[in-house]
Amino acid sequence: AQSVSQHNHHVILSEAASLELGCNYSYGGTVNLFWYVQYPGQHLQLLLKYFSGDPLVKGIKGFEAEFIKSKFSLNLRKPSVQWSDTAEYFCAVNAEGTYKYIFGTGTRLKVLA
Amino acid sequence: DGGITQSPKYLFRKEGQNVTLSCEQNLNHDAMYWYRQDPGQGLRLIYYSQIVNDFQKGDIAEGYSVSREKKESFPLTVTSAQKNPTAFYLCASSIKGQGYYNEQFFGPGTRLTVL
Repeated sequence: AQSVSQHNHHVILSEAASLELGCNYSYGGTVNLFWYVQYPGQHLQLLLKYFSGDPLVKGIKGFEAEFIKSKFSLNLRKPSVQWSDTAEYFCAVNAEGTYKYIFGTGTRLKVLA
Repeated sequence: DGGITQSPKYLFRKEGQNVTLSCEQNLNHDAMYWYRQDPGQGLRLIYYSQIVNDFQKGDIAEGYSVSREKKESFPLTVTSAQKNPTAFYLCASSIKGQGYYNEQFFGPGTRLTVL
């Protein structure tokens, strides 16, 4: 069965610090990977997605991610966080050919001004 | 303006009552989903549907039921059999690309409280 692990449950950073959030999945076949963000009081929205090709993926709002197939991971990064990045971040996986998505438990990021 | 609407935003229910949460999309997406979001547990899949008149149980379907009579609508009923129904419920949809399903689009959610 597919599963997704986000090891960082709560992260607190100061503005301008660098961010890296881990996401590991468990599935033997081809997967599509997603990072979503949920700002306080807002809809979940897509940050970035990885389907295939270049393992470095750029998303919105300065976020990027690196897919490492050997580690079954898609780690989210941002070189310099802002107070407005305070939100909850979710990783999700979709096995290719299926329409079911599995989400991780989320990481709450708090950025101190 | 395309998107997903969920109603109501807040819902209060007495124990023992069934309640139906609405989800409508005008994105012409094939697949629709219901998730439950609880603090520290992420999004857990309740039910999902790929086409009209067909749906599949997710990981936590017990105590819930759905219908998919129209492509744009996927209502969720929380029955009295659901032991801990107080939660935030999210509806989502996605469209099929070439051999894969693309990202999901989410509604604003319904917060259900059982009194």
